[in-house]
Amino acid sequence: GENVEQHPSTLSVQEGDSAVIKCTYSDSASNYFPWYKQELGKRPQLIIDIRSNVGEKKDQRIAVTLNKTAKHFSLHITETQPEDSAVYFCAASRTNFGNEKLTFGTGTRLTIIP
Amino acid sequence: GAGVSQTPSNKVTEKGKYVELRCDPISGHTALYWYRQSLGQGPEFLIYFQGTGAADDSGLPNDRFFAVRPEGSVSTLKIQRTERGDSAMYLCASGYGPGELFFGEGSRLTVL
Repeated sequence: GENVEQHPSTLSVQEGDSAVIKCTYSDSASNYFPWYKQELGKRPQLIIDIRSNVGEKKDQRIAVTLNKTAKHFSLHITETQPEDSAVYFCAASRTNFGNEKLTFGTGTRLTIIP
Repeated sequence: GAGVSQTPSNKVTEKGKYVELRCDPISGHTALYWYRQSLGQGPEFLIYFQGTGAADDSGLPNDRFFAVRPEGSVSTLKIQRTERGDSAMYLCASGYGPGELFFGEGSRLTVL
């Protein structure tokens, strides 16, 4: 089955600086890669996702890049703000019918230092 | 309701007891997932329903765990003969299939 590894497990950055979180996956058939943000005591919420037919996707201060050959993808947050502090999870799945379970990484606790 | 609803939000039980956790997905969502999340870990897949049928139950840890979705909407996760190792947050999510999952707030299970 799919195995997703995520690094680093914790990350502290100064407010206004950039943060990068990296993930690798094992199943070459995976073609959908979302990122979820989970604030303390809250539910995970999707912040951005990318499919295998593109290499990069941006949404305001967040971007995700995908390298299918190397089987890794990354989350980039620019101009970080205190409200970006949370745990971030990457995930991967196939999106063919019957193979749609998301496999999550172990999470990165991001702390923005004011 | 507007989002995925899970009940109870907290459940404390004794080792060996039977537990049911309920998930009410967003109306119209055909896909429903159960995940388990331990402290400091990512959500761990348990089971996925597409409509009424379990499309993938490969994540259920053993035969003490069972889930149903009889009418293609509400789902119940059932745990028999609970063990202390079952203590975790149980998350339900729904969606239209491949794509964004909408998570509930979870049911925190504590087995004493």
